[in-house]
Amino acid sequence: SQQGEEDPQALSIQEGENATMNCSYKTSINNLQWYRQNSGRGLVHLILIRSNEREKHSGRLRVTLDTSKKSSSLLITASRAADTASYFCATENSNSGYALNFGKGTSLLVTP
Amino acid sequence: GAVVSQHPSRVICKSGTSVKIECRSLDFQATTMFWYRQFPKQSLMLMATSNEGSKATYEQGVEKDKFLINHASLTLSTLTVTSAHPEDSSFYICSARSAGLVTEAFFGQGTRLTVV
Repeated sequence: SQQGEEDPQALSIQEGENATMNCSYKTSINNLQWYRQNSGRGLVHLILIRSNEREKHSGRLRVTLDTSKKSSSLLITASRAADTASYFCATENSNSGYALNFGKGTSLLVTP
Repeated sequence: GAVVSQHPSRVICKSGTSVKIECRSLDFQATTMFWYRQFPKQSLMLMATSNEGSKATYEQGVEKDKFLINHASLTLSTLTVTSAHPEDSSFYICSARSAGLVTEAFFGQGTRLTVV
């Protein structure tokens, strides 16, 4: 079952701009993860933020987590054309062996 | 990070035939493997969870007799789509994780199945 809802569903920006994607989830979590998927390819893990963390950075990525609102955001700063991809948030489902429940994803297009 | 290899990356088959997709963890022992299905422009939907040496646990609505999952070793899981139909055409992705609760899942490259 899908856990999260991302918005926007699609985002188009120019190189150099920042891209912000949001994710909401429904149940309590131990952590929340963000993944990237290039068209027709597998998923690449970007970052994991634990439930007791509020913000985490990795290179040009900044993730926030607000457990009171059950929401998270992913910020990509100084975007590049190579950042064009779909981005998914995911939470673990303890009822399915900690399989990941994915949000619907945000399709990001970065134009030169 | 750890590597998960999925094969084949693309397959075209005729209706009524069966197709086997392999998922291998190359540099770690995968105690649990997961199979997902993704339709175009949609998210990944969990099909089943398999633990090495035991029967897979299927999500509601997934036919276990149609999607046969075998996890015979700690490095290999297979998904066989039996008697394939055009509506089975989709992108199938496996992921694997080792023992431990808070770990990232590693994903295969995915298999694009087209049933004609």
